[in-house]
Amino acid sequence: AQSVTQPDIHITVSEGASLELRCNYSYGATPYLFWYVQSPGQGLQLLLKYFSGDTLVQGIKGFEAEFKRSQSSFNLRKPSVHWSDAAEYFCAVTPVSGGYNKLIFGAGTRLAVHP
Amino acid sequence: DTAVSQTPKYLVTQMGNDKSIKCEQNLGHDTMYWYKQDSKKFLKIMFSYNNKELIINETVPNRFSPKSPDKAHLNLHINSLELGDSAVYFCASSQGLQETQYFGPGTRLLVL
Repeated sequence: AQSVTQPDIHITVSEGASLELRCNYSYGATPYLFWYVQSPGQGLQLLLKYFSGDTLVQGIKGFEAEFKRSQSSFNLRKPSVHWSDAAEYFCAVTPVSGGYNKLIFGAGTRLAVHP
Repeated sequence: DTAVSQTPKYLVTQMGNDKSIKCEQNLGHDTMYWYKQDSKKFLKIMFSYNNKELIINETVPNRFSPKSPDKAHLNLHINSLELGDSAVYFCASSQGLQETQYFGPGTRLLVL
């Protein structure tokens, strides 16, 4: 069965520090990969996505993610975190084939930012 | 302009009641979804409609019934509400079955 693992439930970083949020997936083939962010009391906003091509993808708000097929990983990074980045981050996958666009989410990583 | 909107934003109701949540998208998408986010923030798909046709129906109690009157709307009706139905319900839409999904702001349902 397809699954997404975000090993870190909660991460705290200082403002200005670099950030890496981990995501691993379990799937027979390379799925489409996404990172969404949910600010407190808000909906989900798409940060970036990977469908194919360059394995380093750039997203909004200065985020990037790198797809590593050999590790089945799609980690999210940001070189310098801002206080406004405090939120819940969700990694998600969807099968490439099968005709069904069903997002499978990880459990999320809550990011806290210290001033 | 809000791309995917949901009403109401908050819904507090008693056990046993019947309630509906509405979703509308103005993106011209042909596929819409309902997701449930539980108290631990875990998100799981419930239903998906493509061109008003139900294509995904996860293991959801039949008290939940989606209805899509047209491609821009997907409503969720819940009968005989239970305490465990308390959650945030998100609507989403995409253009086609393989494209990026865009989410609404969520409806926070509390069953007392």
